[in-house]
Amino acid sequence: AQSVTQLDSQVPVFEEAPVELRCNYSSSVSVYLFWYVQYPNQGLQLLLKYLSGSTLVKGINGFEAEFNKSQTSFHLRKPSVHISDTAEYFCAVSQRGFQKLVFGTGTRLLVSP
Amino acid sequence: GAVVSQHPSWVICKSGTSVKIECRSLDFQATTMFWYRQFPKQSLMLMATSNEGSKATYEQGVEKDKFLINHASLTLSTLTVTSAHPEDSSFYICSAVIRTGNPYEQYFGPGTRLTVT
Repeated sequence: AQSVTQLDSQVPVFEEAPVELRCNYSSSVSVYLFWYVQYPNQGLQLLLKYLSGSTLVKGINGFEAEFNKSQTSFHLRKPSVHISDTAEYFCAVSQRGFQKLVFGTGTRLLVSP
Repeated sequence: GAVVSQHPSWVICKSGTSVKIECRSLDFQATTMFWYRQFPKQSLMLMATSNEGSKATYEQGVEKDKFLINHASLTLSTLTVTSAHPEDSSFYICSAVIRTGNPYEQYFGPGTRLTVT
């Protein structure tokens, strides 16, 4: 079985500052990794995914993440955040070849002026 | 593209009644749809997987007689919470996989907030 840990429940940051949202996973088999964003009263939107290939994955809205197999991590980064990035961010994992997603508990990113 | 809608967006029902939640893929056909439950400040928990024309597959611990799932077409799946109780109050979210797309990419609906009084 897979599990996901997002240690930071909330990350406050000032506008235009860089941010890193941490995600660690546990799995005995190969995995796919995802980051989703949830804006208030909206569904989840896929930011980026790692299925195979390059470990540095670029997504929408200037976000990127790096898959680190040895550290079982998939941290999300953005070099300069905007007020509009304020949202809940979920990391998710699935076993390679399977569709079932296991989500972390989410990290609320709060961007202030 | 790849829009998933849910109806209603919120519903209040009395204990003991049943409520139906619809999940529709608006601009694509979905081979597989998923139903999740999200408690306040918690993660999404997968409840069941439904495939068009087949019986849903429920996760361990989810009562299939209480949470009835019907995936009658390639664009519609419904979740019926039968004999609802206050502990069923939650945020229910569906997702769908595009029939001709990446099978590992899910598109999520906006969710339905259910309150049972």
